[in-house]
Amino acid sequence: DSGVTQTPKHLITATGQRVTLRCSPRSGDLSVYWYQQSLDQGLQFLIQYYNGEERAKGNILERFSAQQFPDLHSELNLSSLELGDSALYFCASSVAWGSPNTGELFFGEGSRLTVL
Amino acid sequence: ILNVEQSPQSLHVQEGDSTNFTCSFPSSNFYALHWYRWETAKSPEALFVMTLNGDEKKKGRISATLNTKEGYSYLYIKGSQPEDSATYLCALHTGTASKLTFGTGTRLQVTL
Repeated sequence: DSGVTQTPKHLITATGQRVTLRCSPRSGDLSVYWYQQSLDQGLQFLIQYYNGEERAKGNILERFSAQQFPDLHSELNLSSLELGDSALYFCASSVAWGSPNTGELFFGEGSRLTVL
Repeated sequence: ILNVEQSPQSLHVQEGDSTNFTCSFPSSNFYALHWYRWETAKSPEALFVMTLNGDEKKKGRISATLNTKEGYSYLYIKGSQPEDSATYLCALHTGTASKLTFGTGTRLQVTL
């Protein structure tokens, strides 16, 4: 158990809909990362927050947004869903930001989104 | 766009065999190289975080080496066991950005 909690584990929805994925980081971790894993693709970095502030952005679509709340949990909002958004969405947390030695990521079990 | 490449894509070995995989990455602006183990239906777990050229780390039967000048890292598994079956991911941390860029992984299957 990594200590990172993601909900829901599975989600099936229709095109055009909006969903929210939730992540609670490991106790004490200030950084939260979101990754997307589609079929035959590696883990694609979406966005990172550190102590409530956005710190790094990857190839995140404009239809997607995220935030980190004062209690450090994070939410990833996916809107106007398309078939191609079907993927496994991982949240990960780490202690610090920008530090190579403490930058080990602890992953949640992922939220599998299926868009029909 | 950073290119982190892993080879082979998949590997099938017998129990007791030793094996190794490669992670290649651009050597400029290197900060750290991570290895993760990802079992099916579970979440990726960190094996090693390596920062220094020539670094060698070991955890049980698994070890890794790092060459930052030529941009590669090797992961070795000695005496593979069925429980080693998993996808092994490497990830590059560059410059001051804290994001990790992952390779697509090497999928290892160990059979009896």
